[in-house]
Amino acid sequence: DAGVTQSPTHLIKTRGQQVTLRCSPKSGHDTVSWYQQALGQGPQFIFQYYEEEERQRGNFPDRFSGHQFPNYSSELNVNALLLGDSALYLCASLEVSRTDTQYFGPGTRLTVL
Amino acid sequence: AQSVTQLGSHVSVSEGALVLLRCNYSSSVPPYLFWYVQYPNQGLQLLLKYTSAATLVKGINGFEAEFKKSETSFHLTKPSAHMSDAAEYFCAVSGEDYKLSFGAGTTVTVRA
Repeated sequence: DAGVTQSPTHLIKTRGQQVTLRCSPKSGHDTVSWYQQALGQGPQFIFQYYEEEERQRGNFPDRFSGHQFPNYSSELNVNALLLGDSALYLCASLEVSRTDTQYFGPGTRLTVL
Repeated sequence: AQSVTQLGSHVSVSEGALVLLRCNYSSSVPPYLFWYVQYPNQGLQLLLKYTSAATLVKGINGFEAEFKKSETSFHLTKPSAHMSDAAEYFCAVSGEDYKLSFGAGTTVTVRA
């Protein structure tokens, strides 16, 4: 059983560019959350998707947007990149009706120059 | 709203010694509490969780944690440290919305 997968593993962009990160949840999981982990800090909640809709959002600007597809996979889009967006972006999934445990992917390391 | 505070950003222990990582939580609803471990350049791995069942929770790799409502604490312990326990440890809390709020993390180093 494959766990949560994310792509790409590393990404380098320049300020002002746009980026798309991808996540495939663990098999059977219908809910995907995204977290940003800056260097030396704990992960911060960005948003959560369930049934292809954004259900909750953390304290992040509208430059951060997302999408969930019918197969439950998800994308995180960040527009107008800033240097401060450099971080490890983590995806987590769970099946809401069956578990309260979120499983995390390996993350995408984004560097903004 | 929920939040956690991890006491001590860095803990150094000798191999074979007790590991104790402290976490205090704040929650307006009955909390779900978690401990995750992160190895360098990797994602987060669940060590254990508390979800209102037994207050003493056993996890993987010999770790356990005790939920103390009166002290709003959920400290993580391991009786005997191993070199492979060197990593970053995060305490996290959520409500039934599954939105995790993490602490700042505690780095554990193990001395031979």
